[in-house]
Amino acid sequence: GQNIDQPTEMTATEGAIVQINCTYQTSGFNGLFWYQQHAGEAPTFLSYNVLDGLEEKGRFSSFLSRSKGYSYLLLKELQMKDSASYLCAVSYTGRRALTFGSGTRLQVQP
Amino acid sequence: GAVVSQHPSRVICKSGTSVKIECRSLDFQATTMFWYRQFPKQSLMLMATSNEGSKATYEQGVEKDKFLINHASLTLSTLTVTSAHPEDSSFYICSATGTGENYGYTFGSGTRLTVV
Repeated sequence: GQNIDQPTEMTATEGAIVQINCTYQTSGFNGLFWYQQHAGEAPTFLSYNVLDGLEEKGRFSSFLSRSKGYSYLLLKELQMKDSASYLCAVSYTGRRALTFGSGTRLQVQP
Repeated sequence: GAVVSQHPSRVICKSGTSVKIECRSLDFQATTMFWYRQFPKQSLMLMATSNEGSKATYEQGVEKDKFLINHASLTLSTLTVTSAHPEDSSFYICSATGTGENYGYTFGSGTRLTVV
């Protein structure tokens, strides 16, 4: 299989930093995506990593280690509106569709 | 950027009737479209992959006679839920990808289907 694992739930405080981890099977890996999804809405694209290292985009950064099959999404200066589910998705060779993790529900508290 | 329009956003139908959901790519040619289903507090589950002009490829466990997918043009794919039952109530989301896009996966806004 191509299991993608991420924590089910996380809680953090407004203004803080939170890191959401994702591990995946490395065989056939092409690239990794992070999406944000608010309840009842479609996912919105946050980041795409294909090479090792950190990609920074404003308050959000995403890191990838291909050899370890590991990625994380880093959210800085948390805001209440960041409360959402964060989905890790991997593109694998031979499969046109993305493979999604189960998602991490982040609750930002005052 | 790439935009995918999905309609309707919400639909309530009676058990036994059929419902059609449309997914349109507005500013790019979607050679491949994906249909997902999502139950509350769960992740996206791929139902099928459709390529323009050919039959859809369904994931294991998805009934192709119940969930009819048509991808007749490069900008439109439809999902028809036939003889809907309450257990089909879910959030259905389409995603499209085309040739030459950097990231390639753009989602529609989703359709909340409630079967009563």
